[in-house]
Amino acid sequence: EVQLVQSGAEVKKSGESLKISCKGSGYSFTSYWIGWVRQMPGKGLEWMGIIYPGDSDTRYSPSFQGQVTISADRSISTAYLQWSSLKASDTAIYYCARPPYGWTSGWENWGQGTLVTVSS
Amino acid sequence: QSALTQPPSASGSPGQSVTISCTGTSSDVGGYNSVSWYQQHPGKAPKLMIYDVSKRPSGVPDRFSGSKSGNTASLTVSGLQAEDEADYYCSSYAGGNNLVFGGGTKLTVL
Repeated sequence: EVQLVQSGAEVKKSGESLKISCKGSGYSFTSYWIGWVRQMPGKGLEWMGIIYPGDSDTRYSPSFQGQVTISADRSISTAYLQWSSLKASDTAIYYCARPPYGWTSGWENWGQGTLVTVSS
Repeated sequence: QSALTQPPSASGSPGQSVTISCTGTSSDVGGYNSVSWYQQHPGKAPKLMIYDVSKRPSGVPDRFSGSKSGNTASLTVSGLQAEDEADYYCSSYAGGNNLVFGGGTKLTVL
C-alpha cells in the first residue's frame, strides 16, 4: 500500500526557517515524482512544485520559484519542503502528493497534510 | 485569482446528476489532455477522482465521469449520494513547469 506520511504541525514566527517532510513507503521512492500543494485557510489548492528523487530533477510553479526549496533524501525515502524566512502569509496546510501517471497527470496518493502557522 | 474557473457552488438531489465545469484557455485545459479532478471533504486531504480528462483511478465509482470540449472540462456525478457532498477541484497542466488548479466548487446534496 502506497503511503505518504508527513511531519507534524508547526508554529513559527515570521523570519524563522522551517523544513517539513513527507516519507513515502509501499513503492519505489526513486521511480516516481513527489510534489507539494498549498491550501491557505478556507481557500483552494495551489501547486507549488515537484521533485523526481531518482535524479533530483525539480520543477517549481512560477508563483513559488525562489520562495521555497524542494528536496529529497533517497536513502530515507523522504521529500522536503523548506523556507529560509517564513512570512505570516505562509500560514497554510501543505500536502505532499505522488502522481503515479507522470507529474502532469493526476496526483493519486496524498499525505495527511502539515499545518504551518506563522505568527508575526 | 485562480487560473481555472469553476462555479463556486453546485447542487442536486440524491439520485440526480450534476455537472461541474472548469474553464481555462488554449494554454492549459484546451492544449493538453491532462485535466484532473479532486474531491475534498472538510478536514481531509484531496482524493483523485479523474485524471487525463476521463480516466478513473481504481476504486473510484463509475458514477464519476470526466470530459472536455475546447477550453472547458467537466466532471459529472451521476446518481448523487450524500457522501458526494464535498469540494471539487479541477487541475490542468499549463505547459513548461506549471500545473494549475481551479478555485473549487462546493457540491451540496440537497
